[in-house]
Amino acid sequence: GDSVTQMEGPVTLSEEAFLTINCTYTATGYPSLFWYVQYPGEGLQLLLKATKADDKGSNKGFEATYRKETTSFHLEKGSVQVSDSAVYFCALTSNQAGTALIFGKGTTLSVSS
Amino acid sequence: DGGITQSPKYLFRKEGQNVTLSCEQNLNHDAMYWYRQDPGQGLRLIYYSQIVNDFQKGDIAEGYSVSREKKESFPLTVTSAQKNPTAFYLCASSQDRASGNTIYFGEGSWLTVV
Repeated sequence: GDSVTQMEGPVTLSEEAFLTINCTYTATGYPSLFWYVQYPGEGLQLLLKATKADDKGSNKGFEATYRKETTSFHLEKGSVQVSDSAVYFCALTSNQAGTALIFGKGTTLSVSS
Repeated sequence: DGGITQSPKYLFRKEGQNVTLSCEQNLNHDAMYWYRQDPGQGLRLIYYSQIVNDFQKGDIAEGYSVSREKKESFPLTVTSAQKNPTAFYLCASSQDRASGNTIYFGEGSWLTVV
């Protein structure tokens, strides 16, 4: 079935470092791809999305490009801040479950000053 | 304010009891979802509904039940048949069936079995 694989965490960085969180997917058809962020004790917030191949989603300095040839949607940020510390989830919409999202296991990011 | 409201935020259940988690949205969204979150396992889909009076099982529906009698409401009942119910439960909604639509989440409900 459809699935999402993210790099294992935790990822620990110093402020202003470059961030990459890898995400690859397996899906039939042409899924839409998403990155969500979760702060401690809260629900999930959409960070960015891409709905077709070669689209780049971006928000708050984060970027991810939908690469169909490598089935990837890696999250990047050029300079992280302490406030970026959170859990990041890669997800896709699955044709097997209506419009529901299929999530990766999440990657915890910790940024220190 | 528009959004998704889950209640209660914290709930304790005794062994053998059924409990119901409330989810209400005022976004006029057609589709609603329930996810369960356990540490290190990401989010897993319990049930989803794409329209009033219709719902489908997700990956881990056993021990759970839902109803969708109104567009804005999608309550989740955790039954005594769910053997390990302690988790964080997230309700979500999206505008319609289009796969590119953003799914919005509530703040979640913590359920603990005591």
